[in-house]
Amino acid sequence: DQQVKQNSPSLSVQEGRISILNCDYTNSMFDYFLWYKKYPAEGPTFLISISSIKDKNEDGRFTVFLNKSAKHLSLHIVPSQPGDSAVYFCAASMMNYGGSQGNLIFGKGTKLSVKP
Amino acid sequence: KAGVTQTPRYLIKTRGQQVTLSCSPISGHRSVSWYQQTPGQGLQFLFEYFSETQRNKGNFPGRFSGRQFSNSRSEMNVSTLELGDSALYLCASSLDTSTDTQYFGPGTRLTVL
Repeated sequence: DQQVKQNSPSLSVQEGRISILNCDYTNSMFDYFLWYKKYPAEGPTFLISISSIKDKNEDGRFTVFLNKSAKHLSLHIVPSQPGDSAVYFCAASMMNYGGSQGNLIFGKGTKLSVKP
Repeated sequence: KAGVTQTPRYLIKTRGQQVTLSCSPISGHRSVSWYQQTPGQGLQFLFEYFSETQRNKGNFPGRFSGRQFSNSRSEMNVSTLELGDSALYLCASSLDTSTDTQYFGPGTRLTVL
């Protein structure tokens, strides 16, 4: 039973356009969400996070939106660059229920390809 | 500052054997977590250690175990290996609170034949 779902295994976007990566979750106790990026032969790298008390968090070209009623979050990358090509993982935690960032539930990832 | 290091990077074992993987966290980090990544299941949480104590444990059989030493280095052990244990095993470290960002190592690729 997958608690964090990334239903699109892959996404292809033209350089300069917006990339939108989606993530759905089922557990309403999740209260902290993160996005990680992973290049081949490397470990995941933290990108951006959002607490459930917010609905938007922005960091440079990356913005994460959280819709708690829909149990949905999305990562927007604007503008997309070829170096953004990687696998993106959505992750969730129950920080207020004994969880921590050391105990994350991950989605299966979306492979983003940004074409020059 | 050096990142999270994992040794070995690649490992081939046969069914029934046991294996020990090692993780050295970033200097000053006291929390270490382990994850298993497979194509079918994605990234799954194994366990988390903080100050030599297991803080959280994922839903894996008892064949998977771990420990953390006083210098924060961590090892995980898998006994009686099965074909399905073939995976990338990732270690992540963070400072010392539950809200600190995790930094991942490159992983150990384990192949069970």
